[in-house]
Amino acid sequence: DIVMTQSPDSLAVSLGERATINCKSSQSVLYNSNNKNYLAWYQQKPGQPPKLFFYWASTRESGVPDRFSGSGSGTDFTLTISRLQAEDVAVYYCQQYYSTPRTFGQGTKVEIK
Amino acid sequence: QVQLVQSGAELKKPGASVKVACKTSGYTFTNYGIHWVRQAPGQRLEWMGWINADNGNTEYSQSFLGRVTITTDTSANTVYMELSSLRSEDTAVYYCARDGYCSGRGCYSWFAYWGQGTLVTVSS
Repeated sequence: DIVMTQSPDSLAVSLGERATINCKSSQSVLYNSNNKNYLAWYQQKPGQPPKLFFYWASTRESGVPDRFSGSGSGTDFTLTISRLQAEDVAVYYCQQYYSTPRTFGQGTKVEIK
Repeated sequence: QVQLVQSGAELKKPGASVKVACKTSGYTFTNYGIHWVRQAPGQRLEWMGWINADNGNTEYSQSFLGRVTITTDTSANTVYMELSSLRSEDTAVYYCARDGYCSGRGCYSWFAYWGQGTLVTVSS
């Protein structure tokens, strides 16, 4: 199984400041034949299902604000919130879909400082 | 619009089974796979398995092998997940989620569409 490890587990950022979440996979999720990273990012708020933010590591889902960006390749990935807004308070998860079982990171809780 | 609507909350005793429904609409049912993901209190999301709605083929996580069965009712555009031999650790919210994109080459399992979740509580 591919183990997904996120860091940090939680972070507190001032409104308008940058938040950075890291995700590391135990093996590469880059598929060489199409040069795509099989990595997605989700935002989850209490009592709601996760909401897709990125797939292919950096392709933003429709409706996601452009202050969010996804980057990385191979085994190391980053979700960045360039200017934190109050509505961004949530738990963020990475997920690999390179192989079965699909696996998720443990989540990173983002709060306002 | 694509919708996945799940059946309601369940309270079960240890050793029992539970069957959760996921009724889909807004797309061609057989064109996408449906996955099941659960979330125990304070825990990470855990993938349980999926079904190819076109041919009925399934794949399950080793963590649930022998206890989970995913089936479809194509006439009702509905997918079912049955979990047996329930124990207290199975108390969780269970979600169904649809594959992100499918083509002749296969399906890519990012999850843009999710059910609202079904709380299954296992308690004596």
